[in-house]
Amino acid sequence: EPEVTQTPSHQVTQMGQEVILRCVPISNHLYFYWYRQILGQKVEFLVSFYNNEISEKSEIFDDQFSVERPDGSNFTLKIRSTKLEDSAMYFCARGTSGNQETQYFGPGTRLLVL
Amino acid sequence: DQQVKQNSPSLSVQEGRISILNCDYTNSMFDYFLWYKKYPAEGPTFLISISSIKDKNEDGRFTVFLNKSAKHLSLHIVPSQPGDSAVYFCAASSGNTPLVFGKGTRLSVIA
Repeated sequence: EPEVTQTPSHQVTQMGQEVILRCVPISNHLYFYWYRQILGQKVEFLVSFYNNEISEKSEIFDDQFSVERPDGSNFTLKIRSTKLEDSAMYFCARGTSGNQETQYFGPGTRLLVL
Repeated sequence: DQQVKQNSPSLSVQEGRISILNCDYTNSMFDYFLWYKKYPAEGPTFLISISSIKDKNEDGRFTVFLNKSAKHLSLHIVPSQPGDSAVYFCAASSGNTPLVFGKGTRLSVIA
C-alpha cells in the first residue's frame, strides 16, 4: 500500500529555533502518527492523530510539540523551541484502521539541532 | 520500561541459510505484533504481522511465529539473501494503542 512522504528530508537548526516537519499522505487517511528515533535508540511514539484531533500522546510530546493538519491534507509536527536532544529521525506513519492495524512509515526527516 | 525486547543487537547468517530473529514482550495486553525492516536513513518498512489469535503467519520467505504463553515471537527468513541485511524491529500494540518497538536487531547476510 502507498506510504506517506515527508519534507524536508534533512533539517539543521540552531537550538531555540522553531522547526516544522511535514507529512504528506498519498491518499486520504484518518489515522496518523509521529514517531522519532534518536541515533542508536529505538523508535519511540510521539503522538497519534485521528480525524483531525490528537487521540493519544506520549510523555515525550510536551508543550514544545504540536501537531496539526492545516489544509486538510498535509500533517505537520512543530517543535517550538528546539533543544539539542531533539536531534533525531522523525517518522510520520499512517494507519489503516486504528485497531490491530499496520502502520506504514514515511522516509523520515533527519533533524539536527546545533 | 522495555515492554518489547530484542536481546540480540546483531546477527550474522550465511546466504541461503535461515535467519531467526527473536523478540520478547512483557505486556500481556498486546494483541498485534509486527516486524519492520529498516535501512539506514530510511523509514521502517512493514514486513509481516500476526494477530494474537494465531501462532504462525507466513508470507513468502518470511514467517512469524508467536508463542503467547512464553510472550515470545520470532521472525524466520529462509533462504536469507544479501539484500535482507538491515535492522529488523519487532513492534507490538494493544487494540488501538500506538506501536511499541524493540531496539532492533542488525542482520548481516554474508554472501
